[in-house]
Amino acid sequence: DTGVSQDPRHKITKRGQNVTFRCDPISEHNRLYWYRQTLGQGPEFLTYFQNEAQLEKSRLLSDRFSAERPKGSFSTLEIQRTEQGDSAMYLCASSSASPFYEQFFGPGTRLTVL
Amino acid sequence: AQTVTQSQPEMSVQEAETVTLSCTYDTSESNYYLFWYKQPPSRQMILVIRQEAYKQQNATENRFSVNFQKAAKSFSLKISDSQLGDTAMYFCALRSEKLVFGKGMKLTVNP
Repeated sequence: DTGVSQDPRHKITKRGQNVTFRCDPISEHNRLYWYRQTLGQGPEFLTYFQNEAQLEKSRLLSDRFSAERPKGSFSTLEIQRTEQGDSAMYLCASSSASPFYEQFFGPGTRLTVL
Repeated sequence: AQTVTQSQPEMSVQEAETVTLSCTYDTSESNYYLFWYKQPPSRQMILVIRQEAYKQQNATENRFSVNFQKAAKSFSLKISDSQLGDTAMYFCALRSEKLVFGKGMKLTVNP
């Protein structure tokens, strides 16, 4: 297992378009997290899954955002009707269930909304 | 609400010197964990060191050590013998379930 992977690494889109990002976690990890990181800031929590169940969503996750993890393996994050304020790095991380265990981060998907 | 504050936005240090990065946090949880993550330029986030809040002993990982002051809610990172490869953004983070990050501090190690 080579770690957490994310696809695509970069996405440029026009305002109003829909985009979807994919995250493949480390295979034995049952928790998967999504974060958003804007320039000069630390990552901000968006949502997380334990297996296929979405256990928590941040208020940052507006109605235009939806995340799924249908089979408890990979996850997708979709943003509908993108806005320029959505431009950011979207990070995915995975871990075992215990809070002590390290979250392993993927390389991120950098979204630019024109 | 849980918060993490890193008040120093940027620091620089000479190679081989020691540097301390500060972090304070706030939480009402009794069981939590503290982490320092490193994000090198254009590279992904990796864990530097972690500390369980119920442990009084400060964590140490090679050149990296922490000074955990639970009553003061302080969690500083000391990097000894700084190396050029330590140049990165450093994020302090608090976790009970999800990770809450500070804004980060840019560390530059100069030759």
